[in-house]
Amino acid sequence: QSVLTQPPSVSAAPGQKVTISCSGSSSNIGNNYVSWYQQLPGTAPKLLIYENNKRPSGIPDRFSGSKSGTSVTLGITGLQTGDEADYYCGTWDTSLNAGVFGGGTKLTVL
Amino acid sequence: EVQLVESGGGLVKPGGSLRLSCAASGFTFNSHSMNWVRQAPGKGLEWVSSLDSSGSNKYYADSVKGRFTISRDNAKNSLYLQMNSLRAEDTAVYFCARELLSEEFDYWGQGTLVTVSS
Repeated sequence: QSVLTQPPSVSAAPGQKVTISCSGSSSNIGNNYVSWYQQLPGTAPKLLIYENNKRPSGIPDRFSGSKSGTSVTLGITGLQTGDEADYYCGTWDTSLNAGVFGGGTKLTVL
Repeated sequence: EVQLVESGGGLVKPGGSLRLSCAASGFTFNSHSMNWVRQAPGKGLEWVSSLDSSGSNKYYADSVKGRFTISRDNAKNSLYLQMNSLRAEDTAVYFCARELLSEEFDYWGQGTLVTVSS
């Protein structure tokens, strides 16, 4: 059971938009920055979003992040087949004094 | 170019020990906190441990506390994870990851597989 809760899967058609939610509590998302990662099959995770809504250089603006209270959302527009991957949210939990990840969401581009 | 290369994984019996290494290059190693993150086969990411840039502050997941020890050698640009009293549930690919600012990981190694089995 992950500290952060994500839907196991989402799907959408090419060119469409999808959102992936991640919910937590005041000890993690509510009072800390959240990051998002994309993991393609057989590869290491890749940072997509940090500090809730910032993109590292090289990450297209099709990817966006937002936060409201104890939840965050990753948005992906203009879906491409290459976006099929597992997506994870992560942050620090002040009560646990530990890093935490969501359980991951598998994105299927139909 | 930033590179993180893990090594030291392998097959070990329950109760055994293993030491993972992560060789860093392409950035000022002693300016960044470093982390270990693992992924069991077919499962999600699990944060394991974090160490600040000076090596003074260490943090562990409850699942490994008392069994794993994180350390670094800034002179050698290397991060380590000493794993003792290994259990079957420790079987995973172990990634080292550079911390960008605060608990976001901007560079990851390719991972090293640890298999705990008799």
